[in-house]
Amino acid sequence: EAQVTQNPRYLITVTGKKLTVTCSQNMNHEYMSWYRQDPGLGLRQIYYSMNVEVTDKGDVPEGYKVSRKEKRNFPLILESPSPNQTSLYFCASSPSVGYQETQYFGPGTRLLVL
Amino acid sequence: AQSVAQPEDQVNVAEGNPLTVKCTYSVSGNPYLFWYVQYPNRGLQFLLKYITGDNLVKGSYGFEAEFNKSQTSFHLKKPSALVSDSALYFCAVRDFPSNFGNEKLTFGTGTRLTIIP
Repeated sequence: EAQVTQNPRYLITVTGKKLTVTCSQNMNHEYMSWYRQDPGLGLRQIYYSMNVEVTDKGDVPEGYKVSRKEKRNFPLILESPSPNQTSLYFCASSPSVGYQETQYFGPGTRLLVL
Repeated sequence: AQSVAQPEDQVNVAEGNPLTVKCTYSVSGNPYLFWYVQYPNRGLQFLLKYITGDNLVKGSYGFEAEFNKSQTSFHLKKPSALVSDSALYFCAVRDFPSNFGNEKLTFGTGTRLTIIP
């Protein structure tokens, strides 16, 4: 089954404790992206990747890191989480860097930083 | 910069009645427009998209959307609402060609649709 998976789905942590949210897609997609969803703000892009070893900042990259060592994986790293990073996070992917492709989203990771 | 507005946070519709969820957009070039639906505790699911061509786009679950360039709108519609349509709906836009390379979608703030039995 074609899908985008994320782990963990739910996470409670404390300020400053490094964490990683994994994202994996099995569709051989080139483009991957991370969004955060906050009430009243919709979804905002954190980072994106056009292909392996190619990443760039989105609209709200502060406090986050990413890597793209393999085509299928695009982990999101919070080196020192803070309470303002409490949010719902979505990973997305699409087939190629083009203009008409539909993005497919993972199930989301709900993060609470205390 | 591209932007999307969903003017209604909440829309309530009686089951069997037609529904409309509103969306307006702003882009510098040609818009690529999308609707996604989010059910509780689930990720976003693609409903439909407008790239070019016919202004009326048909999508999943009986939904359709009408692209109106003069009004810069892309309203989501369904002729007869079902209780199972209750969910959070997001409109999104991509701008071409200024966003070349980044497939970023700019999302609206979402509209919660409730279908009343």
